[in-house]
Amino acid sequence: KNQVEQSPQSLIILEGKNCTLQCNYTVSPFSNLRWYKQDTGRGPVSLTIMTFSENTKSNGRYTATLDADTKQSSLHITASQLSDSASYICVVSAGDAGGTSYGKLTFGQGTILTVHP
Amino acid sequence: NAGVTQTPKFRVLKTGQSMTLLCAQDMNHEYMYWYRQDPGMGLRLIHYSVGEGTTAKGEVPDGYNVSRLKKQNFLLGLESAAPSQTSVYFCASSYSPVAKNIQYFGAGTRLSVL
Repeated sequence: KNQVEQSPQSLIILEGKNCTLQCNYTVSPFSNLRWYKQDTGRGPVSLTIMTFSENTKSNGRYTATLDADTKQSSLHITASQLSDSASYICVVSAGDAGGTSYGKLTFGQGTILTVHP
Repeated sequence: NAGVTQTPKFRVLKTGQSMTLLCAQDMNHEYMYWYRQDPGMGLRLIHYSVGEGTTAKGEVPDGYNVSRLKKQNFLLGLESAAPSQTSVYFCASSYSPVAKNIQYFGAGTRLSVL
């Protein structure tokens, strides 16, 4: 069964500090891994997408890493801001068999990040 | 620049009532999806569509029906609402198969079934 596990479930940090969120997955065959940010009361917004051959991808203060061998990914947030308070969701896409398949996504349960002033 | 718009934003139903959730996208995307999000769980796919006039079942389709009569609209129907369908519902769209492309999400519909 495809699974995506995220840790920690929640995290509180002070503004300006860095933090790292973890994602472990058992999805096969692997296609890509993405991180979403979901603000309270809003829909998820894509931060990064990484394929098998990419091991690092940045989007501003967000840097995602991927280790396809150990099936782990991390999202590092640098110099946190109050606006970074949100749920961060790791999503893994299984390989698409082609045709009209939509490509199955498996969502993690999310890490809730709270940034305090 | 609307993107994906969901209506309504909130709804309270009594058990057994029916309702339709509307999703509209203005990005000319072929693929559209309905998810539900429950506390402590990842988003789960209810139904999806790979183009106008097509629909397919996702992980948790029971109790829901969908229609895609127009490319820009994807409707989710609850024929006889149950308390287990209390959830936040998200619609999403993508230009091509989601395995390769970004999904764009709406703001969600909060549904309570009493």
